[in-house]
Amino acid sequence: NAGVTQTPKFQVLKTGQSMTLQCAQDMNHNSMYWYRQDPGMGLRLIYYSASEGTTDKGEVPNGYNVSRLNKREFSLRLESAAPSQTSVYFCASSVTPGHQETQYFGPGTRLLVL
Amino acid sequence: AQSVAQPEDQVNVAEGNPLTVKCTYSVSGNPYLFWYVQYPNRGLQFLLKYITGDNLVKGSYGFEAEFNKSQTSFHLKKPSALVSDSALYFCAVRDPTGNQFYFGTGTSLTVIP
Repeated sequence: NAGVTQTPKFQVLKTGQSMTLQCAQDMNHNSMYWYRQDPGMGLRLIYYSASEGTTDKGEVPNGYNVSRLNKREFSLRLESAAPSQTSVYFCASSVTPGHQETQYFGPGTRLLVL
Repeated sequence: AQSVAQPEDQVNVAEGNPLTVKCTYSVSGNPYLFWYVQYPNRGLQFLLKYITGDNLVKGSYGFEAEFNKSQTSFHLKKPSALVSDSALYFCAVRDPTGNQFYFGTGTSLTVIP
Protein backbone atom coordinates (compact mmCIF):
# COMPACT_ATOMS: atom_id res chain seq x y z
CA ASN A 1 0.00 0.00 0.00
CA ALA A 2 1.93 3.00 -1.31
CA GLY A 3 -0.62 5.61 -0.23
CA VAL A 4 -0.41 8.76 -2.34
CA THR A 5 2.32 8.88 -4.98
CA GLN A 6 3.41 11.82 -7.12
CA THR A 7 5.57 12.13 -10.20
CA PRO A 8 7.92 13.69 -10.94
CA LYS A 9 9.73 14.52 -7.71
CA PHE A 10 11.48 17.51 -9.22
CA GLN A 11 11.09 19.48 -12.46
CA VAL A 12 12.68 22.53 -14.03
CA LEU A 13 10.70 24.38 -16.69
CA LYS A 14 11.26 27.44 -18.79
CA THR A 15 8.63 30.16 -18.84
CA GLY A 16 5.89 29.23 -21.27
CA GLN A 17 6.49 25.49 -21.21
CA SER A 18 3.74 23.12 -20.20
CA MET A 19 3.75 20.07 -18.00
CA THR A 20 1.49 17.70 -16.14
CA LEU A 21 1.96 16.62 -12.54
CA GLN A 22 0.70 13.15 -11.84
CA CYS A 23 -0.89 11.87 -8.66
CA ALA A 24 -2.26 8.46 -7.79
CA GLN A 25 -3.67 6.90 -4.64
CA ASP A 26 -4.28 3.26 -3.83
CA MET A 27 -6.47 3.72 -0.77
CA ASN A 28 -9.77 3.68 -2.68
CA HIS A 29 -10.42 7.26 -1.63
CA ASN A 30 -13.16 9.22 -3.34
CA SER A 31 -11.74 12.72 -2.95
CA MET A 32 -8.47 14.15 -4.18
CA TYR A 33 -6.80 17.55 -3.87
CA TRP A 34 -3.95 19.62 -5.26
CA TYR A 35 -2.13 22.16 -3.06
CA ARG A 36 0.84 24.40 -3.51
CA GLN A 37 3.19 25.25 -0.69
CA ASP A 38 5.09 28.53 -0.69
CA PRO A 39 7.39 29.85 2.04
CA GLY A 40 5.51 31.75 4.72
CA MET A 41 2.13 30.96 3.19
CA GLY A 42 1.30 27.46 4.29
CA LEU A 43 -0.59 25.28 1.84
CA ARG A 44 -3.16 26.69 -0.54
CA LEU A 45 -5.75 24.64 -2.37
CA ILE A 46 -5.56 24.80 -6.16
CA TYR A 47 -8.26 22.36 -7.25
CA TYR A 48 -10.07 19.43 -5.76
CA SER A 49 -12.19 16.52 -6.88
CA ALA A 50 -14.86 15.50 -4.40
CA SER A 51 -15.57 12.34 -6.34
CA GLU A 52 -14.73 10.71 -9.64
CA GLY A 53 -16.08 12.80 -12.47
CA THR A 54 -16.17 16.10 -10.58
CA THR A 55 -13.62 18.87 -10.13
CA ASP A 56 -13.86 22.26 -8.48
CA LYS A 57 -11.68 25.31 -8.03
CA GLY A 58 -9.93 26.00 -4.79
CA GLU A 59 -8.32 29.14 -3.50
CA VAL A 60 -5.69 29.65 -6.26
CA PRO A 61 -6.82 27.97 -9.52
CA ASN A 62 -5.55 30.50 -12.06
CA GLY A 63 -2.97 29.07 -14.45
CA TYR A 64 -3.86 25.45 -13.71
CA ASN A 65 -6.16 22.76 -15.01
CA VAL A 66 -6.96 19.36 -13.57
CA SER A 67 -8.24 16.01 -14.74
CA ARG A 68 -9.72 13.29 -12.58
CA LEU A 69 -8.74 10.46 -14.87
CA ASN A 70 -10.35 7.75 -12.77
CA LYS A 71 -10.87 7.08 -9.09
CA ARG A 72 -7.15 6.58 -8.50
CA GLU A 73 -5.58 9.38 -10.52
CA PHE A 74 -5.80 13.16 -10.41
CA SER A 75 -3.46 15.21 -12.59
CA LEU A 76 -2.55 18.89 -12.50
CA ARG A 77 -1.57 20.68 -15.70
CA LEU A 78 0.31 23.90 -16.20
CA GLU A 79 -0.42 25.03 -19.75
CA SER A 80 2.06 27.92 -19.85
CA ALA A 81 4.34 27.95 -16.84
CA ALA A 82 5.25 31.23 -15.16
CA PRO A 83 7.95 31.96 -12.56
CA SER A 84 5.15 32.64 -10.04
CA GLN A 85 4.28 28.95 -10.27
CA THR A 86 7.62 27.97 -8.76
CA SER A 87 6.49 26.06 -5.72
CA VAL A 88 6.17 22.67 -4.09
CA TYR A 89 3.02 20.88 -5.16
CA PHE A 90 1.26 18.35 -2.97
CA CYS A 91 -1.48 15.96 -3.88
CA ALA A 92 -3.76 14.63 -1.15
CA SER A 93 -6.72 12.29 -0.87
CA SER A 94 -9.48 11.51 1.61
CA VAL A 95 -12.15 8.87 1.90
CA THR A 96 -14.90 11.41 1.29
CA PRO A 97 -15.03 15.19 1.09
CA GLY A 98 -16.63 15.22 4.53
CA HIS A 99 -15.58 17.83 7.03
CA GLN A 100 -14.15 15.39 9.51
CA GLU A 101 -12.14 13.43 7.00
CA THR A 102 -8.38 13.32 7.29
CA GLN A 103 -6.44 14.12 4.15
CA TYR A 104 -3.40 12.01 3.29
CA PHE A 105 -0.58 13.69 1.42
CA GLY A 106 1.92 12.60 -1.19
CA PRO A 107 5.65 13.41 -0.98
CA GLY A 108 5.41 16.48 -3.21
CA THR A 109 6.74 17.73 -6.54
CA ARG A 110 9.26 20.57 -6.49
CA LEU A 111 8.80 22.79 -9.53
CA LEU A 112 11.19 25.52 -10.61
CA VAL A 113 10.12 27.82 -13.44
CA LEU A 114 12.92 29.88 -14.93
CA ALA B 1 -14.02 33.74 6.18
CA GLN B 2 -12.24 30.77 7.67
CA SER B 3 -8.64 31.20 8.77
CA VAL B 4 -5.93 29.77 10.94
CA ALA B 5 -3.10 31.62 12.64
CA GLN B 6 0.14 30.19 13.92
CA PRO B 7 1.70 33.14 15.72
CA GLU B 8 5.19 31.64 16.05
CA ASP B 9 7.34 30.96 13.01
CA GLN B 10 9.94 29.20 15.14
CA VAL B 11 9.85 27.38 18.47
CA ASN B 12 12.96 26.08 20.20
CA VAL B 13 12.78 23.70 23.14
CA ALA B 14 15.29 21.59 25.01
CA GLU B 15 15.05 17.83 24.73
CA GLY B 16 12.96 16.43 27.56
CA ASN B 17 11.09 19.66 28.16
CA PRO B 18 7.40 20.09 27.37
CA LEU B 19 6.57 21.74 24.07
CA THR B 20 3.66 23.81 22.85
CA VAL B 21 2.94 24.93 19.31
CA LYS B 22 0.18 27.51 19.17
CA CYS B 23 -2.78 27.76 16.81
CA THR B 24 -5.83 29.99 16.79
CA TYR B 25 -8.69 29.79 14.36
CA SER B 26 -11.60 31.72 12.96
CA VAL B 27 -14.46 29.74 11.50
CA SER B 28 -18.19 30.03 11.01
CA GLY B 29 -19.97 27.20 12.73
CA ASN B 30 -18.42 24.18 14.40
CA PRO B 31 -14.70 23.92 13.79
CA TYR B 32 -12.98 20.81 12.52
CA LEU B 33 -9.33 21.21 13.47
CA PHE B 34 -6.28 19.26 12.44
CA TRP B 35 -2.54 19.14 13.11
CA TYR B 36 -0.05 17.90 10.53
CA VAL B 37 3.73 17.50 10.70
CA GLN B 38 6.14 17.85 7.79
CA TYR B 39 9.66 16.46 7.87
CA PRO B 40 12.24 17.82 5.41
CA ASN B 41 11.50 16.93 1.79
CA ARG B 42 8.44 14.93 2.81
CA GLY B 43 4.70 15.36 2.53
CA LEU B 44 2.47 16.27 5.43
CA GLN B 45 1.66 13.57 7.93
CA PHE B 46 -1.53 13.59 9.97
CA LEU B 47 -1.05 13.92 13.74
CA LEU B 48 -4.49 14.44 15.23
CA LYS B 49 -7.85 16.08 14.78
CA TYR B 50 -10.69 17.55 16.79
CA ILE B 51 -14.21 16.97 15.53
CA THR B 52 -16.34 16.89 18.66
CA GLY B 53 -16.25 15.53 22.18
CA ASP B 54 -13.36 15.80 24.64
CA ASN B 55 -11.42 19.00 24.43
CA LEU B 56 -8.13 17.11 24.85
CA VAL B 57 -7.30 15.11 21.75
CA LYS B 58 -4.52 12.53 21.72
CA GLY B 59 -2.66 11.74 18.53
CA SER B 60 0.38 10.10 17.02
CA TYR B 61 3.91 10.10 18.50
CA GLY B 62 2.75 11.23 21.96
CA PHE B 63 1.29 14.52 20.77
CA GLU B 64 -1.95 15.95 22.06
CA ALA B 65 -3.92 19.11 21.44
CA GLU B 66 -6.34 21.08 23.54
CA PHE B 67 -9.41 22.62 21.97
CA ASN B 68 -10.49 25.82 23.70
CA LYS B 69 -13.67 27.23 22.25
CA SER B 70 -13.69 30.44 24.28
CA GLN B 71 -10.16 31.31 23.18
CA THR B 72 -10.63 29.82 19.68
CA SER B 73 -7.39 27.95 20.09
CA PHE B 74 -6.10 24.48 19.33
CA HIS B 75 -2.57 24.31 20.71
CA LEU B 76 -0.39 21.27 20.08
CA LYS B 77 1.46 19.87 23.08
CA LYS B 78 3.83 17.13 24.09
CA PRO B 79 4.98 16.47 27.66
CA SER B 80 8.58 15.61 26.79
CA ALA B 81 10.18 16.70 23.51
CA LEU B 82 12.48 14.48 21.46
CA VAL B 83 15.13 15.62 19.00
CA SER B 84 13.24 13.62 16.37
CA ASP B 85 10.22 15.90 16.88
CA SER B 86 12.11 18.67 15.06
CA ALA B 87 9.97 19.44 12.01
CA LEU B 88 7.48 21.89 10.53
CA TYR B 89 4.02 21.78 12.11
CA PHE B 90 0.83 22.94 10.43
CA CYS B 91 -2.52 23.63 11.98
CA ALA B 92 -5.53 23.41 9.67
CA VAL B 93 -9.24 24.09 9.91
CA ARG B 94 -11.83 22.48 7.74
CA ASP B 95 -14.45 24.74 6.23
CA PRO B 96 -17.75 23.35 7.56
CA THR B 97 -19.62 24.85 4.61
CA GLY B 98 -17.42 23.52 1.84
CA ASN B 99 -14.59 21.24 0.95
CA GLN B 100 -11.52 23.28 1.72
CA PHE B 101 -8.83 22.97 4.32
CA TYR B 102 -7.30 26.24 5.48
CA PHE B 103 -3.73 25.83 6.65
CA GLY B 104 -1.68 28.01 8.93
CA THR B 105 1.69 29.25 7.79
CA GLY B 106 3.52 26.61 9.80
CA THR B 107 5.74 26.61 12.89
CA SER B 108 9.26 25.26 12.71
CA LEU B 109 10.03 23.29 15.86
CA THR B 110 13.63 22.67 16.84
CA VAL B 111 14.38 20.38 19.77
CA ILE B 112 17.84 21.05 21.13
CA PRO B 113 19.78 18.07 22.48
